[in-house]
Amino acid sequence: DAGVTQSPTHLIKTRGQQVTLRCSPKSGHDTVSWYQQALGQGPQFIFQYYEEEERQRGNFPDRFSGHQFPNYSSELNVNALLLGDSALYLCASSPGTSPLHFGNGTRLTVT
Amino acid sequence: QKEVEQDPGPLSVPEGAIVSLNCTYSNSAFQYFMWYRQYSRKGPELLMYTYSSGNKEDGRFTAQVDKSSKYISLFIRDSQPSDSATYLCAMSALTGGGNKLTFGTGTQLKVEL
Repeated sequence: DAGVTQSPTHLIKTRGQQVTLRCSPKSGHDTVSWYQQALGQGPQFIFQYYEEEERQRGNFPDRFSGHQFPNYSSELNVNALLLGDSALYLCASSPGTSPLHFGNGTRLTVT
Repeated sequence: QKEVEQDPGPLSVPEGAIVSLNCTYSNSAFQYFMWYRQYSRKGPELLMYTYSSGNKEDGRFTAQVDKSSKYISLFIRDSQPSDSATYLCAMSALTGGGNKLTFGTGTQLKVEL
């Protein structure tokens, strides 16, 4: 049984560009959350999706948006990339409000 | 002040030692407490999950929660080199129907032979 899978694993973008990251949740999980982890820091909550709707949102600007599809997979979009957006982006899934299971993340570098 | 405080370490111990990792928090609404282990270039892996105050044991790992002191701990017995990783505490209040986690910065642990 595959866990949470994310793609791509690494990505290099230039300031001002847009990026889309993808996540497939663990089988049976209907809730997907996205976190940003800067180097040497703990993950910071971006937002959570349930039934294709954004249920909760953290303190991130509108440049960060997302989507959940009927099969529960999800995308994270970031517009107008800044150097400070360089981080590990983690997707996590859960069945409802049970503990989160994380993927291995997408390492985004903005130059 | 951060909602969750965690000493970033690094913490270096000899193999076989008992390791104590700790977090303090300020938000009284937190009810669910978790410990995650994160190896380099990997995502966090759930180790322990506790609701409210008390102790929970799983193999070599014991999690303790003291809500009156807003203090949680993770103990690792008979530590092994394979335990070398970053340990993240995380907490949730289950507000808004969701389970948004608030993490500490993580403690880097090295278990040496």
